[in-house]
Amino acid sequence: AQSVTQLGSHVSVSEGALVLLRCNYSSSVPPYLFWYVQYPNQGLQLLLKYTSAATLVKGINGFEAEFKKSETSFHLTKPSAHMSDAAEYFCAVTKNNNDMRFGAGTRLTVKP
Amino acid sequence: GAVVSQHPSRVICKSGTSVKIECRSLDFQATTMFWYRQFPKQSLMLMATSNEGSKATYEQGVEKDKFLINHASLTLSTLTVTSAHPEDSSFYICSARGGQGGTEAFFGQGTRLTVV
Repeated sequence: AQSVTQLGSHVSVSEGALVLLRCNYSSSVPPYLFWYVQYPNQGLQLLLKYTSAATLVKGINGFEAEFKKSETSFHLTKPSAHMSDAAEYFCAVTKNNNDMRFGAGTRLTVKP
Repeated sequence: GAVVSQHPSRVICKSGTSVKIECRSLDFQATTMFWYRQFPKQSLMLMATSNEGSKATYEQGVEKDKFLINHASLTLSTLTVTSAHPEDSSFYICSARGGQGGTEAFFGQGTRLTVV
């Protein structure tokens, strides 16, 4: 069965600094991978997704992620953090249009 | 992207009563809908998967008689929490996927259920 592991339940960066949120996946077949953002008491908003096309995926709000099969990783990055980026981020995996499995989430704090 | 509307966004109910949460796909036909539960500061836990016109498939440990799921049309799925108890208080989120082989699921805004 497919799964994802997010390393680090809490990441804190300064405004303007690089954001790196880690996600490793486990899947017996090529997966579809996603990053979602969740603000308090709200649903999930898709940031970006990997569906076996380009390995470097660009998403909304300046985020991007690179699929690395050799490392089974799909880390999320943003060159310069903004205060509005503070939220909970979830990595997710699905295959064959089955249900989506989520990582435990990483809370991003941005310090002024 | 496609829009999924979840209603209500917040509900407070008394112990022993039942609560119905609706999940609607507004601009696409959702052949599959998913219901998740999220505890504070935790991830989303899949409760069940429902396909239009058939019975929902529940994850292990989820009581199907307590969490009734109906997916009677391609645009609507409902989750009914029956005989609610305070431990059922949680954030419930639905997602919907279209039928054209799409891999992306679109999420509702979530429902905060508080049982008093």
